[in-house]
Amino acid sequence: QVQLMESGPGLVQPSETLSLTCTVSGFSLTSYNVHWVRQPPGKGLEWMGVMWSGGSTDYNSALKSRLSISRDTSKNQVFLKMNSLQSEDTTTYYCARAGLYSGAPFDYWGQGVMVTVSS
Amino acid sequence: DVVLTQTPVSLLISLGGQASISCRSSQSLVHSNGNTYLHWYLQKPGQSPQLLIYQVSNRFSGIPDRFSGSGSGTDFTLKISRVEPEDLGVYYCLQRTHNPWTFGGGTKLELK
Repeated sequence: QVQLMESGPGLVQPSETLSLTCTVSGFSLTSYNVHWVRQPPGKGLEWMGVMWSGGSTDYNSALKSRLSISRDTSKNQVFLKMNSLQSEDTTTYYCARAGLYSGAPFDYWGQGVMVTVSS
Repeated sequence: DVVLTQTPVSLLISLGGQASISCRSSQSLVHSNGNTYLHWYLQKPGQSPQLLIYQVSNRFSGIPDRFSGSGSGTDFTLKISRVEPEDLGVYYCLQRTHNPWTFGGGTKLELK
C-alpha cells in the first residue's frame, strides 16, 4: 500500500540547516509528485514545495531562498533542505503525494516529523 | 497568493447532527482548463490530514456518503450529515488552482 515516512532530527540549532527525508513505498517517484507541507504547533498548513515526477522542483516564493528539494529515485526518497532556521521554523513537516494531473489533491500523507529550532 | 477563508472557526455539533463549513476564496478557483481544484481534508487529533473530497464534490476512496462537497467559483461548502465521533477534528480546504497552493485556516468540529 501507499506509504510515506518523514525522518530527520527533532532539534536544530538556530541559523543551521534542516535536512529531512521522505521515504516512500507503494508507488514510484517517477509516476507521482511529492510535496512538502508544514504546520506550526496548533496552527494551519503551509505548502512549501514540490518534487515533480520528472525531477524538477517548485517552491513557495516565501521560502524559495532557503529551500532545496531533491530526490534519489533508486532509494525511493525525497529530501528537503532548508537553511538559516529560526524559531518560527519550529513546526511539523509533512511529505504528501499528489497525482500527475494539474491540481491533483494531496491524497496520501506521511505521519509528519516535528522539528524544534532551539539552542 | 490566494486566501481561503473558512467559517466558522469552530463548530459545536451533537452526535447525529449536521455540520456545514464554508470556504471562500479571494479569487476564482476555476483553472484555465475549466476544472476547479478545491479539496477538503480532515485532520484528526495527533494525525496528519486525510483527504475527504477532491475537486469540489468527489469523495475520496473509503469516505462515507455522509460527507458532501459543493460550490463553484469562489464559494464552497463541506457538509457532514449524521455526525459521528470519528468526524471530530479540524477541517481544511486546499486550493490547487493557483500556485502557490494554499490552505484555509481550518474549522474545528467539536461535540456539543
